[in-house]
Amino acid sequence: DAGITQSPRHKVTETGTPVTLRCHQTENHRYMYWYRQDPGHGLRLIHYSYGVKDTDKGEVSDGYSVSRSKTEDFLLTLESATSSQTSVYFCAISDFGGQQETQYFGPGTRLLVL
Amino acid sequence: GENVEQHPSTLSVQEGDSAVIKCTYSDSASNYFPWYKQELGKRPQLIIDIRSNVGEKKDQRIAVTLNKTAKHFSLHITETQPEDSAVYFCAASIRQGAQKLVFGQGTRLTINP
Repeated sequence: DAGITQSPRHKVTETGTPVTLRCHQTENHRYMYWYRQDPGHGLRLIHYSYGVKDTDKGEVSDGYSVSRSKTEDFLLTLESATSSQTSVYFCAISDFGGQQETQYFGPGTRLLVL
Repeated sequence: GENVEQHPSTLSVQEGDSAVIKCTYSDSASNYFPWYKQELGKRPQLIIDIRSNVGEKKDQRIAVTLNKTAKHFSLHITETQPEDSAVYFCAASIRQGAQKLVFGQGTRLTINP
């Protein structure tokens, strides 16, 4: 569990404000992912990264942007938070062909947008 | 794109009995099917996975079966214990590079003592 952390773990913000969530890994894995989890929807992929500065959209990317300037950090930004973005956000990592081929999840960030 | 349906949404079984959770997927190109267990307030954790070149995989009390023709896969938990109570998620993806997992909606499993 120590290989992946998320910050902050909890955040309350107001509609219209920008929010950035951070995912940090110490495993040197190539692939990183952001998911959101909402009741009745399971987990849904927002964006993912396949290397430094290489990112792509997932199934629910509208209203979100990401950046990865170094292997260990993957940032998720809500440019102008809306109440529909209230959710639990999970980061995940994987390393296809390596020892961690399966996705391993971080502890999550609980975001409340008022 | 891929769509994964999971049933049932809730399941209650007596301790010691077996539990079965079923998932169907839509994209015949999907070839990797993990199952995650999530306890309340915790992160999802992988409990077992199966690749499309295998029809069944077992790990102690947990087994997963895959029917590629019908595009469905199932999780079987035998001799259930109270600590098996959790939400279980199935997922599907194409096993290549980045794994764009598509998850089912989840099954809340309750083990009654």
